[in-house]
Amino acid sequence: AQKITQTQPGMFVQEKEAVTLDCTYDTSDQSYGLFWYKQPSSGEMIFLIYQGSYDEQNATEGRYSLNFQKARKSANLVISASQLGDSAMYFCAMREGPYQKVTFGTGTKLQVIP
Amino acid sequence: DAGVIQSPRHEVTEMGQEVTLRCKPISGHDYLFWYRQTMMRGLELLIYFNNNVPIDDSGMPEDRFSAKMPNASFSTLKIQPSEPRDSAVYFCASSPGTGVHGYTFGSGTRLTVV
Repeated sequence: AQKITQTQPGMFVQEKEAVTLDCTYDTSDQSYGLFWYKQPSSGEMIFLIYQGSYDEQNATEGRYSLNFQKARKSANLVISASQLGDSAMYFCAMREGPYQKVTFGTGTKLQVIP
Repeated sequence: DAGVIQSPRHEVTEMGQEVTLRCKPISGHDYLFWYRQTMMRGLELLIYFNNNVPIDDSGMPEDRFSAKMPNASFSTLKIQPSEPRDSAVYFCASSPGTGVHGYTFGSGTRLTVV
């Protein structure tokens, strides 16, 4: 079974609109962490946001928020007020286990349309 | 801190040659990870270290791949002999292992084997 599932290979969003990128995960651990990374066309991997499994409130970082639904094992990324610079690949990832192993999803390519 | 430093940024080599990729993690990070990224397979975890000790090398594709971490500030990933299917971007990442910051990735090494 896939540890991290991102079902949207590609998405379009109009500039200044909000967009939600989906992520579901699979783990039997009680303690785990969920991350989102951005990879622009230049190739670097940029950490965006983190949610711990015990955090009761959804994480937010500027225009990024993580919609964490633990019972559904979902950790969707919401980008508000999209900008052209948000066009990139977005990866959901999960950290689990005693050695902090991180598994990445297959990514969603987001394109922001002017 | 200069971040995770990888070298070289680009490497073009002929099939059968030995290739060595280098990584300097962020000082104080106890975990070091090597990933490979291709269009077909996405981000694959090859191996990771904790306190310089290899913890899980199950992602290393073949015996042609080897990785070492002789000290806390340096790691190498070696491919010998290289093959065209090894062409990919190889990322090194480090992490303090806990907390909200996830991994910090290096800029990657784009390897082309011709």
